[in-house]
Amino acid sequence: AQSVAQPEDQVNVAEGNPLTVKCTYSVSGNPYLFWYVQYPNRGLQFLLKYITGDNLVKGSYGFEAEFNKSQTSFHLKKPSALVSDSALYFCAVRNQAGTALIFGKGTTLSVSS
Amino acid sequence: SQTIHQWPATLVQPVGSPLSLECTVEGTSNPNLYWYRQAAGRGLQLLFYSVGIGQISSEVPQNLSASRPQDRQFILSSKKLLLSDSGFYLCAWSQNTETQYFGPGTRLLVL
Repeated sequence: AQSVAQPEDQVNVAEGNPLTVKCTYSVSGNPYLFWYVQYPNRGLQFLLKYITGDNLVKGSYGFEAEFNKSQTSFHLKKPSALVSDSALYFCAVRNQAGTALIFGKGTTLSVSS
Repeated sequence: SQTIHQWPATLVQPVGSPLSLECTVEGTSNPNLYWYRQAAGRGLQLLFYSVGIGQISSEVPQNLSASRPQDRQFILSSKKLLLSDSGFYLCAWSQNTETQYFGPGTRLLVL
């Protein structure tokens, strides 16, 4: 069965420091992986995706993610965090039927000034 | 460019009352459409998806139903709301089952 795990409920970083939000997945075949961000009382915003190609994917707002097939991971990263990056982050994988996304439970990122 | 709208933004309804939430997409044709519910505590649960007019697939047995009367319109309904129907309802669209783009959501509180 396909699944996504985000092992950390919350990640705290200081502004200007690098950040990592972790995601691991379980899926048959080649994974289609996504990261979304959600601000309070708002819908989800697409950040980036991995379908195929380079393992390092660059996305919106300076975020990037590294696909690691051997570790079945797709961690979200940013070299220098901003206070405005504070939000809820979701990792997702497309299901095997290709009909929907399976989301992780989300990780709250808190960036302090 | 494509945009997705949901209304209402917020809704407070008594238990047992009916529900109708609407989602419309602009700037694209024949999108795949989705309804998700996000309960308190963040997790997203896929409720329904549609690949075309009148074609609805239900992922989880619910007190809810969905309809797609037009290509870019997706409606979530209930005949009688339960307390457990409270949550944040998100509509999303995609092309070719790839990236999904989400609407602003509807916060539903059932009292």
